[in-house]
Amino acid sequence: QVQLVESGGGLVKPGGSLRLSCAASGFTFSDYYMNWIRLAPGKGLEWISYISSSSTYTSFADSVKGRFTISRDNAKNSLYLQMHSLRAEDTAVYYCARVTSSTSRYAGDYWGQGTLVTVSS
Amino acid sequence: DTQMTQSPSSLSASVGDRVTITCRASESITTYLNWYQQKAGKAPELLIHAASTLQSGVPSRFSGSGSGTDFTLTISNLQPEDFATYYCQQTYNSPWAFGQGTRVEIK
Repeated sequence: QVQLVESGGGLVKPGGSLRLSCAASGFTFSDYYMNWIRLAPGKGLEWISYISSSSTYTSFADSVKGRFTISRDNAKNSLYLQMHSLRAEDTAVYYCARVTSSTSRYAGDYWGQGTLVTVSS
Repeated sequence: DTQMTQSPSSLSASVGDRVTITCRASESITTYLNWYQQKAGKAPELLIHAASTLQSGVPSRFSGSGSGTDFTLTISNLQPEDFATYYCQQTYNSPWAFGQGTRVEIK
């Protein structure tokens, strides 16, 4: 069965960096776009970034552009989110999600359980 | 960037009610519109993709419609397990974006 497991969250000071990982199993990882979404306390879901199956294409939300990078290692079935210059407003649960094909309108059909990032001094 | 606006932001309903949530895009997104349900402390779950296609395993009381800029999610015969927050998402234009969410509460 499809499984996505995020890791790497934790407490970091403002201005610091953190790298999140998402380990995928149960499907051919290299066939799928992947994305990161976050849920801040008391807020709604915020789409953060996607990466194409072969890493050719990436996109980012304006709120993280220039501070976050997304990457993947298809040999390791892993997705990453490198976060720099972290701010208090980046505090959130971060989810990775598999992206369906364009026929299904790039929906997020499988999600991990999330990893909590807290930015605080 | 394409903005997504959901309404209402919250609603109270009773078991058995019919509930409608709307989502409006700031420009045409054809049918690149997906709906998700999120319960407290859980990951979101995909309900509907391509505006009106029910995701496998989702009960048929959920339905979606619309194209262009205006979309609706309808829950007929609301069940206790449907009390949650619902989000629309556009994936037509980068950056992709969610609506702000609609919380469905028990009346």
